[in-house]
Amino acid sequence: DAGVIQSPRHEVTEMGQEVTLRCKPISGHDYLFWYRQTMMRGLELLIYFNNNVPIDDSGMPEDRFSAKMPNASFSTLKIQPSEPRDSAVYFCASSPKGWNSNQPQHFGDGTRLSIL
Amino acid sequence: AQSVTQPDIHITVSEGASLELRCNYSYGATPYLFWYVQSPGQGLQLLLKYFSGDTLVQGIKGFEAEFKRSQSSFNLRKPSVHWSDAAEYFCAVGANDYKLSFGAGTTVTVRA
Repeated sequence: DAGVIQSPRHEVTEMGQEVTLRCKPISGHDYLFWYRQTMMRGLELLIYFNNNVPIDDSGMPEDRFSAKMPNASFSTLKIQPSEPRDSAVYFCASSPKGWNSNQPQHFGDGTRLSIL
Repeated sequence: AQSVTQPDIHITVSEGASLELRCNYSYGATPYLFWYVQSPGQGLQLLLKYFSGDTLVQGIKGFEAEFKRSQSSFNLRKPSVHWSDAAEYFCAVGANDYKLSFGAGTTVTVRA
């Protein structure tokens, strides 16, 4: 079975540019999560969706960040304009409904973002 | 709100020796507890989870963890480590809203 697929794997861009990260969750999963990982702050939950609807975006750093899930098989995380402090690894994860499943929160391999 | 503390930032262990990684959580209700492993350049892979029942849970790759409610702990153990166990390990607690809160992680180095 295909896991959570993220693209691109690496992104290097100059500050001020728009960055779009993409995620394809596992088919049939109801929940989708976006995380950011940095040395200083560890793993932070940015936002999560249930059935394509944003449930909690309290972790989104500021208005420069936005996330959408137009359908059950695709989500984007956009940063506009980007800043050097946004450099991090961004993970997408998906989960079936309920904690009591065999594999809660499958993670993608992440997008390593560098803002110059 | 729930939180997780992993007291050890870095642990070095000899190949073949035992390993124990500490995890303490804070949560008002019965927690859902997880251990994930992250190899360099990779995403997080679930090692094991605890929801209820037997407090000693077995996971993949020969790992086990024990839930101790009185100590608010969920420590991860492996009797004999292999060089391939070198990675970063994260403890996490889940709440009823399906959000996971992660600890800061423990990096494990395995020496020959």
